[in-house]
This record gives sequence, structure tokens and C-alpha cells, in this order.
Amino acid sequence: GENVEQHPSTLSVQEGDSAVIKCTYSDSASNYFPWYKQELGKRPQLIIDIRSNVGEKKDQRIAVTLNKTAKHFSLHITETQPEDSAVYFCAAPDSWGKLQFGSGTQVVVTP
Amino acid sequence: GAGVSQSPSNKVTEKGKDVELRCDPISGHTALYWYRQSLGQGLEFLIYFQGNSAPDKSGLPSDRFSAERTGGSVSTLTIQRTQQEDSAVYLCASSYPLAYEQYFGPGTRLTVT
Repeated sequence: GENVEQHPSTLSVQEGDSAVIKCTYSDSASNYFPWYKQELGKRPQLIIDIRSNVGEKKDQRIAVTLNKTAKHFSLHITETQPEDSAVYFCAAPDSWGKLQFGSGTQVVVTP
Repeated sequence: GAGVSQSPSNKVTEKGKDVELRCDPISGHTALYWYRQSLGQGLEFLIYFQGNSAPDKSGLPSDRFSAERTGGSVSTLTIQRTQQEDSAVYLCASSYPLAYEQYFGPGTRLTVT
């Protein structure tokens, strides 16, 4: 089955700097890679996703890159702001279509 | 339209009691998931319903946990003889047929005293 590993578990950045979170997956057939953001006390919400037919996708200050050969994908946040502080989860589908989530990365943006 | 709803938002129960948590998915979403999230931890998969197929119960931690989905819509997660380690936020999510994107509900915070 699919196994998703996420690093780092915590990430502290200064406001304005960039943050990068990396995930690896095991099932080469996986073709969809979402990122969810969970603010304290709130539900996880999808912020960006990428399908296997593209290598990069951007949406304002966030971007996701995918390397299918190496089986890893990354979330990039540029010009970080305090409201980017949250837990971020990556995921990939298993063969049944069920998302396997990474263990999460706590991002802290300090002013 | 309305998102995924869950009730109650908070539940405090005594050890040994049974609890029922409810999830109302987005209309038209045939897939429904239950997750458990302990404080500061990740998303622990519990159970997955997809249409009329048999549910994937592979994540249920013990036989004290069960779930059903009536009429392909509302789902109820039941925990019997609650233990303190069951204290967590229970999240429900739903998705369209053949779609991966999951929409989460606000969760039920369960506290077992």
C-alpha cells in the first residue's frame, strides 16, 4: 500500500522568508498529491494540489513541485506571513483511492 | 452549498459510557471518511465508506469502535465503553465519486473523564 513520509515535523521561519516542506511516497501509480492546511482548532482545508501530468503548480505565494522519478513532492511558501502559521499535511492516494496523509509539519512564522 | 457538518461539536463523557458522533456529508458526495486526531498529532484514518460497497474498516483501533452509514448519506461513529485514550477530535470528510479531494467537517471534540 501507499506510504507517505513528511519532513520536517516542525519548521520555524522568519516572516518574509520561504518555507519548504517535503513528502515522499511509495506507490509509483499515485497520480494526485494534495496539501492541506490546518490552523489551530480548525478543520484541515485543501490549499493546493497537483496531478502527475505536471511538474509544478503555483497559486500566489504557494507552489507545489512533483518529481515522479524520485517519488517526492514539496510545498513551497514564499514571503511567509504570520497567517501562514499552521500545520500542513501532504497526502497521496492508495490503490483504493483513499488518501494516505503524512504526519504533518508545524510551521511557525515569527514576526 | 452547505459543507460537511458534524454533531455534537463537543462531547464530555464518563469512562465506560457509549457515545455516538454524527456526520452529515455534502449532498452528492458518495465517499465518507472518519479520522481521529489526538492533540498535536496527525490524522489517524478510522473507516471509509464508498457508495454501496463494503466499508474499509481497517483503521478502527478496537472492536469498541463501529460506524454505519444510512441511505448513503449520514454516518454515525459509535464508541462503546469509552476509555480516556479515546479523547481526541473526531473528523469526518466526504468527497465526490471518483474524486480525491476531501472536504472536512469541523470535528467533534470528545473528552472522556
